[in-house]
Amino acid sequence: DQQVKQNSPSLSVQEGRISILNCDYTNSMFDYFLWYKKYPAEGPTFLISISSIKDKNEDGRFTVFLNKSAKHLSLHIVPSQPGDSAVYFCAASSRFGNEKLTFGTGTRLTIIP
Amino acid sequence: DTAVSQTPKYLVTQMGNDKSIKCEQNLGHDTMYWYKQDSKKFLKIMFSYNNKELIINETVPNRFSPKSPDKAHLNLHINSLELGDSAVYFCASSQRVNTEAFFGQGTRLTVV
Repeated sequence: DQQVKQNSPSLSVQEGRISILNCDYTNSMFDYFLWYKKYPAEGPTFLISISSIKDKNEDGRFTVFLNKSAKHLSLHIVPSQPGDSAVYFCAASSRFGNEKLTFGTGTRLTIIP
Repeated sequence: DTAVSQTPKYLVTQMGNDKSIKCEQNLGHDTMYWYKQDSKKFLKIMFSYNNKELIINETVPNRFSPKSPDKAHLNLHINSLELGDSAVYFCASSQRVNTEAFFGQGTRLTVV
């Protein structure tokens, strides 16, 4: 039972354009959402997070949007750069509850120069 | 200065052997984890320790046993290795349970 889903296994975007990665979740107990980036042969690296009390969080070129009613979040990268090419994992948990940090299956983002 | 380090990075071993993967974090975090990334690239939690106490133990065979000698270390021992144990194992730590975790580089285990 996959509680966090990333339905697009891969995405290609032109350099300089916006990259939008999507994530859906099913567990209404999740209240904390994170995005990780992973390069080959390395561990996932934390990118950005958002609490369920917010609907948007921005950090430089990265913005995460949360739509609680739709149980959907997205990561926007603007402008996309070649170094952004990696696998992106969405994750969710309940910070003060019992829901452990659960990861999606990942989306491979390729930035085309 | 690596925050979460695990050794070895690669491990090739025969079926039936016993092996260990070591993990250390220098972030002062209270919580440490072991995750497994299988051939389908799913990242699934195996164990979580908070202040040396086991708090999450997913449905993992008894052949896998974590050991936390102190807050900065969480080692993973695997007995009687099987072909299906081949995967990448990630150690991670976080300041508190279920908050942003920092990952090690992974250990690619291949059982032949």
